[in-house]
Amino acid sequence: VQLVESGGGLAQPGGSLRLSCAASGFTFSDFSMTWVRQAPGKGLEWISYISSSRSRVYYADSVRGRFTISRDNAKKSLYLQMNSLRADDMAVYYCARVSGVARLDCWGQGTLVTVSS
Amino acid sequence: SYVLAQPPSVSAAPGQTAKITCGGSKIGSKSVHWYQQKPGQAPVLVIYDDSDRPSGIPERFSGSNSGNTATLTISRVEAGDEADYFCQVWDSSADHVVFGGGTKLIVL
Repeated sequence: VQLVESGGGLAQPGGSLRLSCAASGFTFSDFSMTWVRQAPGKGLEWISYISSSRSRVYYADSVRGRFTISRDNAKKSLYLQMNSLRADDMAVYYCARVSGVARLDCWGQGTLVTVSS
Repeated sequence: SYVLAQPPSVSAAPGQTAKITCGGSKIGSKSVHWYQQKPGQAPVLVIYDDSDRPSGIPERFSGSNSGNTATLTISRVEAGDEADYFCQVWDSSADHVVFGGGTKLIVL
């Protein structure tokens, strides 16, 4: 079971980035997925969730209206489109698999997003 | 919104027992999960559904949950257990994943 994030990097305030998370080793279409971020030296912050069939999508208040979660089950991939980036969006972004009662049982290695002019 | 409270740090000597608490309103009615995160690494699930251990997690790690407090207990603490620990629940009223602020376990 493996999750590999990509797409992080430097973005200007107000800019955009698209993160990807490639899944392998399990039946991706059977699982809900989520994005979690961690600002430098801070704790974990959940930001978005998508169900296996894409029928349920949820966002934290801090990103609602700016970020969009999506998935392509055929490509076994999860995405996070991040628009209107702000300095406080700077963090390591993790994708994670959701099992049972919303336990995150597999995490990617994370991808760093830096927001700076 | 649902809030989980953890102490910023807990310390224990090698061989002793460390207890990390996670407080929340009627948390005993929720399933609590715990993650271990070492510096520069992704979090790892160590306890799920209050007290179950994923495969590969030592039996030294155990959990309990009742009333307004969930507890992660690490028996026979080792130097390698030094890490940040986060509790987590699903807030069904808001359809949100909620994390506690994290507790740094210091092995003396």
